[in-house]
Amino acid sequence: DAGVIQSPRHEVTEMGQEVTLRCKPISGHDYLFWYRQTMMRGLELLIYFNNNVPIDDSGMPEDRFSAKMPNASFSTLKIQPSEPRDSAVYFCASSIRDSNTQYFGPGTRLTVL
Amino acid sequence: GDSVTQMEGPVTLSEEAFLTINCTYTATGYPSLFWYVQYPGEGLQLLLKATKADDKGSNKGFEATYRKETTSFHLEKGSVQVSDSAVYFCALRTSGNTGKLIFGQGTTLQVKP
Repeated sequence: DAGVIQSPRHEVTEMGQEVTLRCKPISGHDYLFWYRQTMMRGLELLIYFNNNVPIDDSGMPEDRFSAKMPNASFSTLKIQPSEPRDSAVYFCASSIRDSNTQYFGPGTRLTVL
Repeated sequence: GDSVTQMEGPVTLSEEAFLTINCTYTATGYPSLFWYVQYPGEGLQLLLKATKADDKGSNKGFEATYRKETTSFHLEKGSVQVSDSAVYFCALRTSGNTGKLIFGQGTTLQVKP
């Protein structure tokens, strides 16, 4: 299996622009997680889905952030409008319900100027 | 609420030294416990896990024992290598079947030749 795929790997944008991050989970996995990693705050869970349904979005920082999972093989995390404080590495991970293991993608490094 | 606390880093060791990274947790019920490792520029990957009290997880020379009486899951390795330089995250999954992991803040390990 190819593992969790994220795109783009790097994104540089200007403040105020819309940013869309993409994730393809491992085939057959029914949980999908979005994390954000910064030096100041460490690794934060933003939102997670089960069977394409958002279960817990309490970690989403504010209304500028939104996430969707239109089908079992694709999810997006959108920031609109972006701000410099959104600069971070964003990870997607997936797992199977009865498994204790989350499989992480390589991350998207976002820089907002 | 449930939480994980790790020793602060960075931890700097010489090659072949003994490694301990402390991890303690707070949780209701009987959580599963994990160590994840993040190599530079990569996503997190599972290093080892333990699902019940007194279980020992092991992988690549690393070990950790689930100690319910002290609510701890310390990571150890008898002889570290330069290639072990990475960030190590302790995590727990609560006994409720949510699939959600709670991560500690991460501990950076630097191994010098």
